[in-house]
Amino acid sequence: AQSVTQPDIHITVSEGASLELRCNYSYGATPYLFWYVQSPGQGLQLLLKYFSGDTLVQGIKGFEAEFKRSQSSFNLRKPSVHWSDAAEYFCAVGTNAGKSTFGDGTTLTVKP
Amino acid sequence: DAGVIQSPRHEVTEMGQEVTLRCKPISGHDYLFWYRQTMMRGLELLIYFNNNVPIDDSGMPEDRFSAKMPNASFSTLKIQPSEPRDSAVYFCASRLHSGGGTDTQYFGPGTRLTVL
Repeated sequence: AQSVTQPDIHITVSEGASLELRCNYSYGATPYLFWYVQSPGQGLQLLLKYFSGDTLVQGIKGFEAEFKRSQSSFNLRKPSVHWSDAAEYFCAVGTNAGKSTFGDGTTLTVKP
Repeated sequence: DAGVIQSPRHEVTEMGQEVTLRCKPISGHDYLFWYRQTMMRGLELLIYFNNNVPIDDSGMPEDRFSAKMPNASFSTLKIQPSEPRDSAVYFCASRLHSGGGTDTQYFGPGTRLTVL
């Protein structure tokens, strides 16, 4: 069975600073990988996804993620964080049948 | 498109009462998922449907929970009887299967359930 670990429960960065959120996955086959963002009181919104091809994936809102098979990682990055990026971020690994397993999430706080 | 619609957005009920959560997926989508989110357990998949047929209900916590999808545009998640530990945010999501696992799931805004 697949699993996802997000080692950081909470991260605080200053506005304008760079951001990296970590995600490690476990899956026996080639993984489908996703990053979602959840703002308070809202549902989850897809930021980006990866299955094959270029290991650096671009998403919405200026986010990108890099797939590293050797490290079983799919870390999310943004070069300059905005106050509106404060939210909870979820990494997920999915199967071909569409069933996804989510990590526990990382809460991002942005300092002015 | 209005996106995935869930109702009610908030529900407060007393222990022992029946609770019904509703979901309208995006038109044309053939998969529907029900998730539960709590601080303790994070986001858990409860059940999912493909073309209105339940495919995997292994995440349903116990017999008090049941889900139906009578047609392509409507699904319900019922808890009977409800217990305080069922308090959570319940999300519905839908997707259109186009042949790969990277099809995007679109989430509804969730129903915040409080059982007193």
